[in-house]
Amino acid sequence: EAQVTQNPRYLITVTGKKLTVTCSQNMNHEYMSWYRQDPGLGLRQIYYSMNVEVTDKGDVPEGYKVSRKEKRNFPLILESPSPNQTSLYFCASRGTGMGGEQYFGPGTRLTVT
Amino acid sequence: GENVEQHPSTLSVQEGDSAVIKCTYSDSASNYFPWYKQELGKGPQLIIDIRSNVGEKKDQRIAVTLNKTAKHFSLHITETQPEDSAVYFCAASTNSGYSTLTFGKGTMLLVSP
Repeated sequence: EAQVTQNPRYLITVTGKKLTVTCSQNMNHEYMSWYRQDPGLGLRQIYYSMNVEVTDKGDVPEGYKVSRKEKRNFPLILESPSPNQTSLYFCASRGTGMGGEQYFGPGTRLTVT
Repeated sequence: GENVEQHPSTLSVQEGDSAVIKCTYSDSASNYFPWYKQELGKGPQLIIDIRSNVGEKKDQRIAVTLNKTAKHFSLHITETQPEDSAVYFCAASTNSGYSTLTFGKGTMLLVSP
């Protein structure tokens, strides 16, 4: 079954404590990205990656890091989380064929106190 | 870059009525327009998409229309059912799996029995 998985699904942490949200896809997609979803603001792209070792900033990259060492994995790293990073996060991957359907993970609800 | 506007932000209908959600885009190079449905607690899922070489596409109770001249596209849901209640997102990009999808801010559709 084609899917994007994320872990953890829920996370409560404190300001400044480094955390990583993992993302993995089983569709051999080259393009992967991270979004955050906040009420009234829709889906905003944080970072994206077009291939292994190729990453670039999206619309709201401040406070986040990513890495793409393997094609299937694209972790999101918050080196020093702050309360304004409390949000719902989605990982996505996209096929590079004609049109390229994008698949989303189930989401990670992050609360930073 | 691309900018996608989506209206309305909320839409309430009675079961059996039709629902229409409209989006406009700014980049004339965009030629791929997907629609996503997000149910509570889940990631967005693709429900229908359209490419610029067609003006309309249908899938059972769902249809999407595209007007490239006016740069707008719409989602039509007929005979709405309570299970259609969700947040719907439109998006636009070029017809390549390497390009970023730009999303509208979403429409919360509520179908009352």
